[in-house]
Amino acid sequence: EVQLVESGGGLVQPGGSLRLSCAASGFTFRTSDMHWVRQTTGKGLEWVSAIGTGDDTYYPDSVKGRFIVSRENDKNSLFLQMNSLRAEDTAVYYCVREGNNWAFDDWGQGTLVIVSS
Amino acid sequence: EVVMTQSPVTLSVSPGERATLSCRAGQSVSNNLAWYQQRPGQAPRLLVYDASTRATGIPARFSGSGSGTEFSLTISSLQSEDFAVYYCQQYNRRPYTFGQGTKLDIK
Repeated sequence: EVQLVESGGGLVQPGGSLRLSCAASGFTFRTSDMHWVRQTTGKGLEWVSAIGTGDDTYYPDSVKGRFIVSRENDKNSLFLQMNSLRAEDTAVYYCVREGNNWAFDDWGQGTLVIVSS
Repeated sequence: EVVMTQSPVTLSVSPGERATLSCRAGQSVSNNLAWYQQRPGQAPRLLVYDASTRATGIPARFSGSGSGTEFSLTISSLQSEDFAVYYCQQYNRRPYTFGQGTKLDIK
């Protein structure tokens, strides 16, 4: 059974940093492309980052230059380093496994990030 | 960025009846379209990928159709557990984008 468990969310001030982690199990992590997706009440679901099996990374313009996605295959772990955080980054952040079909096959339970002073 | 527009925003249907949800892409996404279900307090769950292929374990009452810019998800006979929010998503090109969701309500 695929399991994705996020951690690291919390309250942070505007301009601050936070590092999210995702512990993966139940599949071959090193051969899976992985993503972070966030969800807010106002903007719905938003794709935040992707990392391929060759450590190639991709971001939307909204977070490019501020967020960094990385992975440690030996530890079956995915990370999201979030810098220069803004109020609009407040959201639940999901760790997501991309399937062979390119869709988002499996999702974690999410971790809440609140950016507020 | 490919804008995904779902309609209606809310759909009220009685249990046992059929529901059809729509999703329109601002430009062609071929068949690189997925549907997700989200129940309250839960993460989204993949229902359909490649516009019409059911994901593993998804009941046959869920069916997807369409290609290019027009897509639909049909639930043939609504069960109580189907009342949830449904999202479409294109993965044809980055940035991957989602629709704003359709809430399926009990009538």
